[in-house]
Amino acid sequence: KQEVTQIPAALSVPEGENLVLNCSFTDSAIYNLQWFRQDPGKGLTSLLLIQSSQREQTSGRLNASLDKSSGRSTLYIAASQPGDSATYLCAVSRYNDYKLSFGAGTTVTVRA
Amino acid sequence: DTAVSQTPKYLVTQMGNDKSIKCEQNLGHDTMYWYKQDSKKFLKIMFSYNNKELIINETVPNRFSPKSPDKAHLNLHINSLELGDSAVYFCASSQESSGYTFGSGTRLTVV
Repeated sequence: KQEVTQIPAALSVPEGENLVLNCSFTDSAIYNLQWFRQDPGKGLTSLLLIQSSQREQTSGRLNASLDKSSGRSTLYIAASQPGDSATYLCAVSRYNDYKLSFGAGTTVTVRA
Repeated sequence: DTAVSQTPKYLVTQMGNDKSIKCEQNLGHDTMYWYKQDSKKFLKIMFSYNNKELIINETVPNRFSPKSPDKAHLNLHINSLELGDSAVYFCASSQESSGYTFGSGTRLTVV
């Protein structure tokens, strides 16, 4: 059974600081890994999708790395802004497995 | 807009009632899902359909019954609602190379 862990559970930083969010998973036989953002009372917004053959993906200020062999992914958010305040969720899927296994999320607060 | 849309957004109902949540995706994805987010915000899969065929049925009470009339629609019917069914229910769809897209959620409150 795939277990996904996200550390830290919560993070508070001043505006402008870089954010580093960690995700680890127990079964390295993943198909892809996806990072989502969830604002309070809202749905999930996909941020980055990393296929198992890739080592990183970038979108604007966001960069996600994937190390399958060690079962880890890291989401970097550069120059954080108050609008980045949200819960960030990591999720992995396996080959021939149609379900995503989610971590419990990291709740980020960026102080103005 | 291309999206996963689910209705209703909010649902407040009494214990013992039967209710349905509808979901539609216009992304052309083959696989659709229902996820439940509990009070601790943890997301867990309930069901998955691939081209109208049920492929995942996690340990969910049989009061919950999904129905997929076609690959663009996946509805969730819940019989005899209980207080513990209160949660946010998310519909999602996926395609192998494009990852998952989630709907905005249905907040179910059973009173």
